[in-house]
Amino acid sequence: DGGITQSPKYLFRKEGQNVTLSCEQNLNHDAMYWYRQDPGQGLRLIYYSQIVNDFQKGDIAEGYSVSREKKESFPLTVTSAQKNPTAFYLCASSIELSLLGNYGYTFGSGTRLTVV
Amino acid sequence: RKEVEQDPGPFNVPEGATVAFNCTYSNSASQSFFWYRQDCRKEPKLLMSVYSSGNEDGRFTAQLNRASQYISLLIRDSKLSDSATYLCVVTSSGGSYIPTFGRGTSLIVHP
Repeated sequence: DGGITQSPKYLFRKEGQNVTLSCEQNLNHDAMYWYRQDPGQGLRLIYYSQIVNDFQKGDIAEGYSVSREKKESFPLTVTSAQKNPTAFYLCASSIELSLLGNYGYTFGSGTRLTVV
Repeated sequence: RKEVEQDPGPFNVPEGATVAFNCTYSNSASQSFFWYRQDCRKEPKLLMSVYSSGNEDGRFTAQLNRASQYISLLIRDSKLSDSATYLCVVTSSGGSYIPTFGRGTSLIVHP
């Protein structure tokens, strides 16, 4: 079955540590996205990528970095510069950005990151 | 003014009730509209797209009012399993198709 896989499901980070969240999809989708969700809040866009080797900052990119070396993979690194990283992180993909309006997103099951 | 606004609720209704949520958007150039469902501590899942003519999927009806810039979701004969948060999503044109998510409306269906 095609889908989008995020790992790990739960992640604990020490102060000052960088951590990387994995996102893999086998849907042959061109576009991939990272969102952050805080309790009682909507989804906020961190980064998105429309094609391999290209990505764009979203609304809250500071303290995060991404790469898109393969179509299937879009890992997110939460750096020590991100001062409040505890949140639920969601990765999503879509066929292509311009067709998003027709088909919507597919989300991964998310990673809960906690600073300890 | 927020781009996409929803009443956070919670809407607390008995089984079998009919309940409706609205979502307003500020960008008149908005083109695509969706309702997503998010269960507690889970990822959002697409419930239905919202078409200009309105559309229905079983007990769920979605409508778009461009003049007043809102979309609505109507749930008939509510089930316990409908309890969730319903997210409104709006996509605009103008070079970027990145959707904007509302904060969601919480629905609790009780016996």
